[in-house]
Amino acid sequence: DAKTTQPPSMDCAEGRAANLPCNHSTISGNEYVYWYRQIHSQGPQYIIHGLKNNETNEMASLIITEDRKSSTLILPHATLRDTAVYYCIVRGPGNQFYFGTGTSLTVIP
Amino acid sequence: ETGVTQSPTHLIKTRGQQVTLRCSSQSGHNTVSWYQQALGQGPQFIFQYYREEENGRGNFPPRFSGLQFPNYSSELNVNALELDDSALYLCASSLAGGPLYGYTFGSGTRLTVV
Repeated sequence: DAKTTQPPSMDCAEGRAANLPCNHSTISGNEYVYWYRQIHSQGPQYIIHGLKNNETNEMASLIITEDRKSSTLILPHATLRDTAVYYCIVRGPGNQFYFGTGTSLTVIP
Repeated sequence: ETGVTQSPTHLIKTRGQQVTLRCSSQSGHNTVSWYQQALGQGPQFIFQYYREEENGRGNFPPRFSGLQFPNYSSELNVNALELDDSALYLCASSLAGGPLYGYTFGSGTRLTVV
């Protein structure tokens, strides 16, 4: 059973906001949801994480629904360098983290 | 502080052979996790090592094994290689039990089995 569900791909115009959704309906009440991205099969890069409140840092904003079953990552002004695969991640059993299949975001000039 | 270094960056092996991949931990970290990422897929958890012992394992057969050394570096060994073992293998170091944002990932080893 999938721990996270994300659309396989999305496009976004350069300079516009990119909104990437994720469903994580089985998340435990005390577990974070994490967002990472991966460029050209390099190692995953941390973006942001949250528990139940909305979060913002210099890279992105994270909106988590009140029931914690879904979240949305927002890149406020997408650039070409934001083209990457974005993963919504939750903790699984046995010290593992479940990455899912991610969303391939393409920022279009 | 140094990051996570993996070696080699690329290698090609023949089906049935054995392979060893290496990972150095970030300074101050005592735990190493290994992930397999097949082409077009997200990383999948193989196992984690803490205090030189396996500390959690994903759905991988026993021919995937590992070691952790006193300096916290680690090896991933795969025996009897199969074509489906072709993937990017990622290593991440962390502090035991820590959250994911405390993990430092390496750039990976690209293994091709022919």
